[in-house]
Amino acid sequence: DTAVSQTPKYLVTQMGNDKSIKCEQNLGHDTMYWYKQDSKKFLKIMFSYNNKELIINETVPNRFSPKSPDKAHLNLHINSLELGDSAVYFCASSQGRGWVEAFFGQGTRLTVV
Amino acid sequence: QKEVEQNSGPLSVPEGAIASLNCTYSDRGSQSFFWYRQYSGKSPELIMFIYSNGDKEDGRFTAQLNKASQYVSLLIRDSQPSDSATYLCAVTGTASKLTFGTGTRLQVTL
Repeated sequence: DTAVSQTPKYLVTQMGNDKSIKCEQNLGHDTMYWYKQDSKKFLKIMFSYNNKELIINETVPNRFSPKSPDKAHLNLHINSLELGDSAVYFCASSQGRGWVEAFFGQGTRLTVV
Repeated sequence: QKEVEQNSGPLSVPEGAIASLNCTYSDRGSQSFFWYRQYSGKSPELIMFIYSNGDKEDGRFTAQLNKASQYVSLLIRDSQPSDSATYLCAVTGTASKLTFGTGTRLQVTL
């Protein structure tokens, strides 16, 4: 039974489109994250939610909008996709704000053409 | 200066040898330190964490932390080909977010 699951695993789309990535965790964790991993494998945090409250909002274009309907779900919506958005996006969860041992989903490889 | 720095490698060690992976961080307020392993095309998985100065051992892995020098390392004893992966150092700072280094690629040769 997958602890942190993301859908879709692969996403190929054209520039200018809008797309969403979904994430769900069944660990009972309070905190969820979105990370972006670029072609050089650098993992950078984008957003974090704790119990549906946005607690980390890094410098990310406002075309990216996270949404957390409940503490088990954190979705990422991206408007007007650009070539530079191509990356692997990882969702992660951890037990609380001060406990940041994160468990990662399998990643979503986004390719913008 | 990057917040968390690692040598990108590749670090090549023969099977059975000790692999030593190093990481430095810039935030003196950092509280927790993690090592993640990431196989190609897979997600990062936690292998060790350490909070206090000194050594922490778990099987073939030893994490070492020196807060005065802002340095954390991971030793892998009896390296196996299955240890070949990218090892990511991650640090939590005062903002309680996990900041990653760029990772060190380890190759264990037969």
